[in-house]
Amino acid sequence: QKEVEQDPGPLSVPEGAIVSLNCTYSNSAFQYFMWYRQYSRKGPELLMYTYSSGNKEDGRFTAQVDKSSKYISLFIRDSQPSDSATYLCAMGVISSGSARQLTFGSGTQLTVLP
Amino acid sequence: EAQVTQNPRYLITVTGKKLTVTCSQNMNHEYMSWYRQDPGLGLRQIYYSMNVEVTDKGDVPEGYKVSRKEKRNFPLILESPSPNQTSLYFCASRFPSGTGGTQYFGPGTRLLVL
Repeated sequence: QKEVEQDPGPLSVPEGAIVSLNCTYSNSAFQYFMWYRQYSRKGPELLMYTYSSGNKEDGRFTAQVDKSSKYISLFIRDSQPSDSATYLCAMGVISSGSARQLTFGSGTQLTVLP
Repeated sequence: EAQVTQNPRYLITVTGKKLTVTCSQNMNHEYMSWYRQDPGLGLRQIYYSMNVEVTDKGDVPEGYKVSRKEKRNFPLILESPSPNQTSLYFCASRFPSGTGGTQYFGPGTRLLVL
């Protein structure tokens, strides 16, 4: 079993829809959680990160973490065609002695249709 | 402009012919790492470096070497490439470990080993 599971999609939604992207994980030691966006032929770019259970909002994006269920989500409100990309979840352990921290999901490909 | 650069962006080679992919960052980051991205497997860390002359294995180090002689550069070396190393490679950098923080990714190098 992978440490981080993410539905690969593809996911297609109409413009303006609310998008829900999800990851589950098995390692209860994970302490911080990130979402990356990756456009075609580009490197991933950090969208959001959070350390605690609950919601974190940034514009149209909301990251949700449920540590008890080992489940994280990214919600995109009023989705736009420019949101079409692959979204990667990532999570890690905070450790001053180790930098080998991030474990990535396999990514969900999202297309927002105009 | 803060960035991570990689060269070459695309490379076709044959089995056994040594190659080097360069990575350079202009943000004075101490931490750098290499990932490979394969369909269905997400991003997997190959090697990382916490500072000059300090490197360590990630999740999939077999068949790869790295060096960190200068803070800004972190080349990835394939001494004897094989077809199973055909992949999309990303270099990344950020400030020291211990926190989440923003990890900046390069644009990627697409490698085909025949």
